[in-house]
Amino acid sequence: AQTVTQSQPEMSVQEAETVTLSCTYDTSESDYYLFWYKQPPSRQMILVIRQEAYKQQNATENRFSVNFQKAAKSFSLKISDSQLGDAAMYFCAYRRNSGGSNYKLTFGKGTLLTVNP
Amino acid sequence: DAGITQSPRHKVTETGTPVTLRCHQTENHRYMYWYRQDPGHGLRLIHYSYGVKDTDKGEVSDGYSVSRSKTEDFLLTLESATSSQTSVYFCAISATSQDTQYFGPGTRLTVL
Repeated sequence: AQTVTQSQPEMSVQEAETVTLSCTYDTSESDYYLFWYKQPPSRQMILVIRQEAYKQQNATENRFSVNFQKAAKSFSLKISDSQLGDAAMYFCAYRRNSGGSNYKLTFGKGTLLTVNP
Repeated sequence: DAGITQSPRHKVTETGTPVTLRCHQTENHRYMYWYRQDPGHGLRLIHYSYGVKDTDKGEVSDGYSVSRSKTEDFLLTLESATSSQTSVYFCAISATSQDTQYFGPGTRLTVL
C-alpha cells in the first residue's frame, strides 16, 4: 500500500522569506501524480500544485515550486517570498495514474505552517 | 473554484440518531468522493461514486452508506451515529478517475 509521510508537523517562516516543506512517499508504481493541498483556517482544501511522475521538470505555480526526486521518492514544496496568507496546514498527497484504485488519494498527516510578520 | 457545496456546514447530533450529509456539484463531473478528516490522520476516503447509482467503498467505510440518484448529488448517511464519527467531512469531485480532485468547504459533525 502507498504511504505518504510528512515529517514536519509544524514549520514557521518570516514574512518574505523562503520555506521548504518535506514529503516522502512509498510506492512500487512508476506512473502516478503527487499533489500539495493547502488548508487555511477556513478549512477549505485548495490545490496548490501537482506533479506527474513522468515529467522530469519540477512544477511551478507563481511563488510555489516543488523539488521532485523520483528515485528518492521525495516531493518537497518550496514557498518563496512567504506571505501572511500562506499560513495554513499543507497536505502532500499521492495518486496512482493507471490500473485499479487510480482514483484514490493518499494523504500525509499535514504540516502546519506559521508565517511571522 | 469548482462549484461544490455541502450541507449542512455544521451539525451537532446525539449518538444513535441517523444523519445525512449532502454534497452538490454544478460541474457535471462523473466522480464524487466523501472523505473524513481527523487530527493525526489527514484525509481518509469513506466512499466514492463513479456515476449515477454506481458507488464503492473506500478505506474507512464501516458505519457509512452513500447514494447517488443524480449526477449532481452525493449523499453520505450515518445510519446510527457514534461518537467516533465526530469529524470534518469533505466532499470532492473529479471529471475522471485520473483528474485532479477538487474539494467542497467541509461539514463539521459532532456526535454527542
